[in-house]
Amino acid sequence: RKEVEQDPGPFNVPEGATVAFNCTYSNSASQSFFWYRQDCRKEPKLLMSVYSSGNEDGRFTAQLNRASQYISLLIRDSKLSDSATYLCVVNDGNTGKLIFGQGTTLQVKP
Amino acid sequence: GAGVSQSPSNKVTEKGKDVELRCDPISGHTALYWYRQRLGQGLEFLIYFQGNSAPDKSGLPSDRFSAERTGESVSTLTIQRTQQEDSAVYLCASSPQTGKEKLFFGSGTQLSVL
Repeated sequence: RKEVEQDPGPFNVPEGATVAFNCTYSNSASQSFFWYRQDCRKEPKLLMSVYSSGNEDGRFTAQLNRASQYISLLIRDSKLSDSATYLCVVNDGNTGKLIFGQGTTLQVKP
Repeated sequence: GAGVSQSPSNKVTEKGKDVELRCDPISGHTALYWYRQRLGQGLEFLIYFQGNSAPDKSGLPSDRFSAERTGESVSTLTIQRTQQEDSAVYLCASSPQTGKEKLFFGSGTQLSVL
């Protein structure tokens, strides 16, 4: 089983749609969780951290379910500029290293 | 510098040659990570440093790969006897602390092995 798993997609949605991405992780000792965004041929950039109580940043909402070892990202009112690959990132609770999922590709169409 | 700097940005080499990739992290950042990303694939963890020590080298694909960090600053990733499957973008990232804060990525080194 992979340490961090994501549905690769692609997700093709129209502008204005709401879309949700899921991510599962295998290490119950993990303590830090993030969503990164990667545009084509660019380096990843932090989108948002994920907190236990869930957190929101504008149109983006992140949720964490420790019992199920599951993280989600919800994007509301999607824009063309949201088209990118979204990477789920989890720290290894034992060593501290940060592990990336394979990414979920989103394509927002006009 | 203002951000993480990697050099060279592009490297073309012949199969069997050795290559050295360099990463200059943000000054003061304790943690430094190396990842590999093949075309159309996700980020593959290679190694990370806490200071000058490497607590986890588990991601290094083979004994042809090695990395070091000196002065809690610059890191080099060395690939010996390169193979075509080594072709990828090699990304370096740094953060103030290990695994707890956001990563700041460099632009990567595109390695092409002919």
